[in-house]
Amino acid sequence: EPEVTQTPSHQVTQMGQEVILRCVPISNHLYFYWYRQILGQKVEFLVSFYNNEISEKSEIFDDQFSVERPDGSNFTLKIRSTKLEDSAMYFCASTEKTGGGGELFFGEGSRLTVL
Amino acid sequence: EDQVTQSPEALRLQEGESSSLNCSYTVSGLRGLFWYRQDPGKGPEFLFTLYSAGEEKEKERLKATLTKKESFLHITAPKPEDSATYLCAVQGNFNKFYFGSGTKLNVKP
Repeated sequence: EPEVTQTPSHQVTQMGQEVILRCVPISNHLYFYWYRQILGQKVEFLVSFYNNEISEKSEIFDDQFSVERPDGSNFTLKIRSTKLEDSAMYFCASTEKTGGGGELFFGEGSRLTVL
Repeated sequence: EDQVTQSPEALRLQEGESSSLNCSYTVSGLRGLFWYRQDPGKGPEFLFTLYSAGEEKEKERLKATLTKKESFLHITAPKPEDSATYLCAVQGNFNKFYFGSGTKLNVKP
């Protein structure tokens, strides 16, 4: 069964360091997302991506964050200079379509710990 | 502003004790309401999509229903393996999905 895969599963970094989280969405999906979940809190939308550009982003997704689809399969989230409050589980998700029938399928997540 | 509220926050049931989880929402132009299951340290696992009031979907011991203001996830005769956090999400006019805080279900044998 097709699935969204994410790497790394866990990353520990020092405050101020750059982090890149990687995702391989389901192959025939067209819309890609990053969400984050701080421990014990709700799943929060960060950004959506379609046709090689950001289609929507939240207030959380500030200039420290960027996304890229460098090739036909990978979808990355970069945090330029990590802060303590960036510690969270980051989920990549993809969907075949939106506007009806757009079930969102999630990866297993990348746990980011900023020290 | 689009919003999703789930209740209760936590629910403890005995095995076989049926119950319902609630998800109330306000959204501009509902495109879909989604139920997910999340196990600790894992990504949300898709369960159901509902698109219009009156719609129902079933899967094993779970049944999801939708009205114009809320959705229910009914759990019939739950088993310990049904223990998880159940998340509700809605998709409105834009390409983002709003999640509720979830209901943490604990089913005791």
